[in-house]
Amino acid sequence: AQSVSQHNHHVILSEAASLELGCNYSYGGTVNLFWYVQYPGQHLQLLLKYFSGDPLVKGIKGFEAEFIKSKFSFNLRKPSVQWSDTAEYFCAVSFPTGTASKLTFGTGTRLQVML
Amino acid sequence: GAGVSQTPSNKVTEKGKYVELRCDPISGHTALYWYRQSLGQGPEFLIYFQGTGAADDSGLPNDRFFAVRPEGSVSTLKIQRTERGDSAVYLCASSLRGGSGRPSTDTQYFGPGTRLTVL
Repeated sequence: AQSVSQHNHHVILSEAASLELGCNYSYGGTVNLFWYVQYPGQHLQLLLKYFSGDPLVKGIKGFEAEFIKSKFSFNLRKPSVQWSDTAEYFCAVSFPTGTASKLTFGTGTRLQVML
Repeated sequence: GAGVSQTPSNKVTEKGKYVELRCDPISGHTALYWYRQSLGQGPEFLIYFQGTGAADDSGLPNDRFFAVRPEGSVSTLKIQRTERGDSAVYLCASSLRGGSGRPSTDTQYFGPGTRLTVL
């Protein structure tokens, strides 16, 4: 069955540190990839998405992600985090089987940025 | 409206009771999804509507769960004979088109969720 894995469950960084959150999926075919963020007390918001083309995708608030097909990965990066990036981050994948529109989410990574 | 809205924001009920959770999608969005998020987990798919019809209900855990979208806009998720294990945040999302048979390029926009607690 298709699945999505996020290996970092809780990450603590100081401001200005660089961030990389891992996301891997299990499926050999074409997928669409998403990163969502949930700030404290707020609902899920889209950070960025990849459908096709340049595997390096830039999103909002300085985030980017790189799709590496050979590694089935879509890692999220930010060169310098801010305290306001404290949130939970979810990787999600749309697989082309059944209802292609539904998203399969990872378990999330809680990011805590210390001042 | 400007975004997806869900009511109520919190619902506390007793085991065995019936509950209804409402979702109001973004105007003009034909696709509507329900997800459930348990503590420490990512959202899990429940059901997908394309217009008025449930195109995929494969995520509904059992026949106590049912959802409707009679006019292709507002949707209601109904849970009968609630159990403590139903406690979770129920999320609704909508997208412009949806789609099937290929990975969708639609973006799903999520509501704030309804936190259901079954005592």
